[in-house]
This record gives sequence, structure tokens and C-alpha cells, in this order.
Amino acid sequence: NAGVTQTPKFRVLKTGQSMTLLCAQDMNHEYMYWYRQDPGMGLRLIHYSVGEGTTAKGEVPDGYNVSRLKKQNFLLGLESAAPSQTSVYFCASSYSTEDSSYEQYFGPGTRLTVT
Amino acid sequence: SQKIEQNSEALNIQEGKTATLTCNYTNYSPAYLQWYRQDPGRGPVFLLLIRENEKEKRKERLKVTFDTTLKQSLFHITASQPADSATYLCALDEDNAGNMLTFGGGTRLMVKP
Repeated sequence: NAGVTQTPKFRVLKTGQSMTLLCAQDMNHEYMYWYRQDPGMGLRLIHYSVGEGTTAKGEVPDGYNVSRLKKQNFLLGLESAAPSQTSVYFCASSYSTEDSSYEQYFGPGTRLTVT
Repeated sequence: SQKIEQNSEALNIQEGKTATLTCNYTNYSPAYLQWYRQDPGRGPVFLLLIRENEKEKRKERLKVTFDTTLKQSLFHITASQPADSATYLCALDEDNAGNMLTFGGGTRLMVKP
């Protein structure tokens, strides 16, 4: 199993450009998440999905859109990139265990720079 | 909203000693708390989960305690090794439904040989 994979690994955008980050998981997990991690801020949840076709806003959703058309994929879109979106983006997935815990499995991250 | 505090200063200890990291939280009563390890340039990796009705949880050289009265969790690594050097994150379930984890900023541990 590859676990959680993210593409691309690195990207440089100019202000105003758009892009889509792809997250894929092969563990048949119901839940998927997008986080951003900035120095001194920790991991902050952007959007999440509790199942195919459903999405919800997290702590910092502004400027981002997501889609979960297939269970194994969760896409994060930036329609008009801004320098404030320079960050490392992590995707994660999880499932509900018998004792209702939701440990998360993270991808390797995408380092995005917006100039 | 939930606020989680971890010591932002790095913790430096000597190999073989016990490392103790602290996670404090406010404004909530989570059903469980999780600890993750993150190495530079990589995603976090799940280590341990402890529930509100559990005082202590162990896994090999790792031990986690959870004091819901103090609103604090302690994460211990006994007989620490240089390979334990990493950033350790604690996380709480925002709504007790497993949908949203709120992470602390992490504490960087450096174990010197």
C-alpha cells in the first residue's frame, strides 16, 4: 500500500494563478482532510470530507475549494493564489475504528510558494 | 474554540534520559487526545491515543498520561535515543465526533548522544 500520496511535491505560483493539489489514499478511508502548516502556527485544518461527495469547512477555508468526487481522492484548489497561501500543505485520511478513534494518516506534504 | 499549548522551545536532553513533553488545553473537554511525531520535511505520524477515562497509556518506550482536571497530557519517552529527535504534536478532537482534530504547535525534541 502506498498510503496517502500527494502531488505535486513542490510548486511555485505567481500571485493570481490557480492550481489544484491532489491527494490520493489507497486504504479505503472514509475521512479525508487538508491542512496547512506554517512556522509557529502548527497544523490548521482547511477543509475536510466525511465521505465521497461531501465536504466541509475547517478552521481556515477562505481562498480554497475542495472536491471529493471519488472516495480515494481529495482535491484542494486555489483559484487565485496569494502570497499568504505560501505554506506546506498536508493531506490526511482516517477511518472510524471499533472504539471510535480516528487516528490520521498523513501524506508527505506539498511545499507551495506564491510570489 | 479549542486552544492547545505545547512548549514552543526545543527540549534538549541527553541520550538515555527520559524526555517529558507537555500539552495543555483550554475551553473543551475532549473525549480523547492523540500524539504524533513529525520529522523534518515529512508528514506527522500517529503514535498514541488516550481516552478521557484512561489515566495512562504505554507503547514500548512511550507513555502518555491524561489529566482531565488539569486539562493536561504528558508525553514521556524513556531511555531516549538520538533517533527520537523530532517534533511531537498533540491533537484533540474538536467535536468528539472524530471529524476535526485541532493540533498544538508541537515541541521539538533533540536527543544528544
